[in-house]
Amino acid sequence: GENVEQHPSTLSVQEGDSAVIKCTYSDSASNYFPWYKQELGKGPQLIIDIRSNVGEKKDQRIAVTLNKTAKHFSLHITETQPEDSAVYFCAARKTSYDKVIFGPGTSLSVIP
Amino acid sequence: ETGVTQSPTHLIKTRGQQVTLRCSSQSGHNTVSWYQQALGQGPQFIFQYYREEENGRGNFPPRFSGLQFPNYSSELNVNALELDDSALYLCASSFRDFNTEAFFGQGTRLTVV
Repeated sequence: GENVEQHPSTLSVQEGDSAVIKCTYSDSASNYFPWYKQELGKGPQLIIDIRSNVGEKKDQRIAVTLNKTAKHFSLHITETQPEDSAVYFCAARKTSYDKVIFGPGTSLSVIP
Repeated sequence: ETGVTQSPTHLIKTRGQQVTLRCSSQSGHNTVSWYQQALGQGPQFIFQYYREEENGRGNFPPRFSGLQFPNYSSELNVNALELDDSALYLCASSFRDFNTEAFFGQGTRLTVV
């Protein structure tokens, strides 16, 4: 069935260091790969997404990469700041309006 | 802020009761999806509504039902509540015709005792 795996489940970094979260997906029909940040008491917030015809996308300190052949995708956050501390979810979907299949989440802590 | 609003933000219900959760989608969005997020887990898809019709359903029993209204707002109804229904319920809206990504509300925290 459709499944998204994510690791690590927890990640602690020093402020200014980089953080990397890796995901794999099972459904080869997936074409959209959004990443969400969820802060305590809030809903998931879309921070970046990548589509299957693109290998890499950057937005300021955030970059995502996609290897469709291997069914791997990753989130890279550079120059981490304390406000980056949150739970991050990778996700996959077949179309932009299809159901979102979420990974189990990574709890990121940035230590000042 | 996404423009997707949910109500109430918190509520407590007793096992066996029924509950209705509400969602107002972002202006211009015609598709609403509902997700259940248990503590420490990723959200799980319940169902989606597009132009007032159910358009896809996850692995949830029939006691989970929904509605979408002409203004695209939506309700999630859960009958015969069980303790395991305790979770954060999230609503996400998007505009299907224009291929937009989904934006989530802040959720409703349901506790069943």
